[in-house]
This record gives sequence, structure tokens and C-alpha cells, in this order.
Amino acid sequence: GAGVSQSPRYKVAKRGQDVALRCDPISGHVSLFWYQQALGQGPEFLTYFQNEAQLDKSGLPSDRFFAERPEGSVSTLKIQRTQQEDSAVYLCASSPTGGARTDTQYFGPGTRLTVL
Amino acid sequence: AQSVTQPDIHITVSEGASLELRCNYSYGATPYLFWYVQSPGQGLQLLLKYFSGDTLVQGIKGFEAEFKRSQSSFNLRKPSVHWSDAAEYFCAVGARAGNNRKLIWGLGTSLAVNP
Repeated sequence: GAGVSQSPRYKVAKRGQDVALRCDPISGHVSLFWYQQALGQGPEFLTYFQNEAQLDKSGLPSDRFFAERPEGSVSTLKIQRTQQEDSAVYLCASSPTGGARTDTQYFGPGTRLTVL
Repeated sequence: AQSVTQPDIHITVSEGASLELRCNYSYGATPYLFWYVQSPGQGLQLLLKYFSGDTLVQGIKGFEAEFKRSQSSFNLRKPSVHWSDAAEYFCAVGARAGNNRKLIWGLGTSLAVNP
């Protein structure tokens, strides 16, 4: 596709529910990133994939957060037993290259998660 | 610790006036540097980036930024602001090498433009 797409754009969950957020990166992009952006803050890194391999998950705040990219394209971020502090915009980004060099990241519109 | 500081939380300028948004970073070595813009309901859009070479980089929408190693700064400038420039601006840094591919972000500067 032309850009990174994310779905749903908005998600309201009751505390304790599980949610799944989807990211479709730009076709052919090797790297995929998830960030969390709380209200009034800058994005915070969650995790990074190179193809299907999850190379860095140091930013995942707890074991309730899980991400996968099984075929090296679409990725899903899953949050189990959601808490109110999980309310944020979840941003997905992709970049064309892998390897040991930071490259430009192209962002999707984000999924706004509200936990009641 | 690695960090990015955007000292100005909110800036208001008049349309047609010049603009400078400040960004300072703390990093082990000279990082790659980025400026992104975020409009309400929109994703982050890359304005410009610095990897190497000329320290004055040109970006989209008439923006430019200057990397100053001695000051650990990468300030964003525009000579004449348009009303459509009202948005949130983020400075970010990333590692030049190694497996650390994440970007570290500032808190952002919110720009308002008066007609």
C-alpha cells in the first residue's frame, strides 16, 4: 500500500479485556516498530521487528504486552488484561532496511486505545 | 542516559513570522537526528533528517534544521510560517550503528499560528 495502515483507529476497552491492534507496514519494508504515545508526551519505543524476528522488546512495559509479526509483514500488538494506564495512542512505523543502521521510519495514523 | 529535550512546550507565532524550535540531545555519540510533525488525528510525518555531511539540512514544507555538534543541538527553522504549520513538532534521535534501532523522542513542541 501507499503508507502504513493501522486498525482499528479507535478502540474502547473495559478494564481487564484483551485487545489486539493491527499494523500493515509499507510493502517490502523490512523493519517494523511499535511505539506508545501517552497524551501530551512523545512516543516511547515498545518493540522492533526485522522481518519476522523480534530483535528488541525492551520497551514493552509488562508481560501483558505481546507483539508478533509471523510472516514478516503484518504485525499485531496484543495487550492482555488492559489497565487504565494502557490508555494511549499506539503507533506503528516501518522502515525499508534492516541491519545495523537507523533508517527513516514511516508512521501510521495510530490506534487510540481508551481503557475504561 | 540518552535523552532529547525540547525546551519549549508551546509556541505561538504570527503568520508570516519566522520560527525556531529548539532541540537538544544527550547521547553517547553523535546520533542520527530527525524532526517529525504530527497534526491532529494524523500520523507522524518526517520533515527532515541528518545523517552526515552538510550540517544544514533542508526538508519539506520549507523547513530547515542545523546540526551543531558543539551544542548537541538540532534546531528547526522556517523563515515564514503559514497557518497550516500549526501542529505538534517532535525531535528524535537514533543510533548510528549497532542493533539499537529505536528512536528516542522529545516531548514535543506545540505550535499555534495567529492569523
